[in-house]
Amino acid sequence: DGGITQSPKYLFRKEGQNVTLSCEQNLNHDAMYWYRQDPGQGLRLIYYSQIVNDFQKGDIAEGYSVSREKKESFPLTVTSAQKNPTAFYLCASSEQHSPYEQYFGPGTRLTVT
Amino acid sequence: GQNIDQPTEMTATEGAIVQINCTYQTSGFNGLFWYQQHAGEAPTFLSYNVLDGLEEKGRFSSFLSRSKGYSYLLLKELQMKDSASYLCAVKDSNYQLIWGAGTKLIIKP
Repeated sequence: DGGITQSPKYLFRKEGQNVTLSCEQNLNHDAMYWYRQDPGQGLRLIYYSQIVNDFQKGDIAEGYSVSREKKESFPLTVTSAQKNPTAFYLCASSEQHSPYEQYFGPGTRLTVT
Repeated sequence: GQNIDQPTEMTATEGAIVQINCTYQTSGFNGLFWYQQHAGEAPTFLSYNVLDGLEEKGRFSSFLSRSKGYSYLLLKELQMKDSASYLCAVKDSNYQLIWGAGTKLIIKP
């Protein structure tokens, strides 16, 4: 079955530690995205990548970093510079043609204390 | 700035019909999406509108008026499993998705 996987579902870290969230897709999609979702707010774009070895900052990239070494993988690192890292993180991918529907992974809930 | 407005919460009765509205102001328009999101889960695609009019898909329909910057999602024959948040998103001139905060729909028996 084709889809997007994110692991783990729940992640706990101490303040000051970097943490990497994984995202893998086998849909053969070129574009991949990372969103953050906080209660009462819409999805906010952190980073996106339209092709391997290239990525762009979204609206809230500060304190995050990504890599896109393979088409299937788009890991997100939440660094210690991110002031409010506790959130629900969603990875998505899409085709490069209309309607550009985005398919989402199950998400990772990160709690930093 | 870019903005998408949806009601925060709505309540409806099982078996009834509910309409969830979405108004948008974006830099350009390349389509509007509706997604369903159950608590703690990923959003799943419901519908896509790029031309004015109504798109029907089973119990769900979505309407778009580009001149008014307005869309609605119509859910018929409501079932308890329809209790979820419904997210409206618009693809802007850069083909980036701008998301509304979502409407939490509560279904009562």
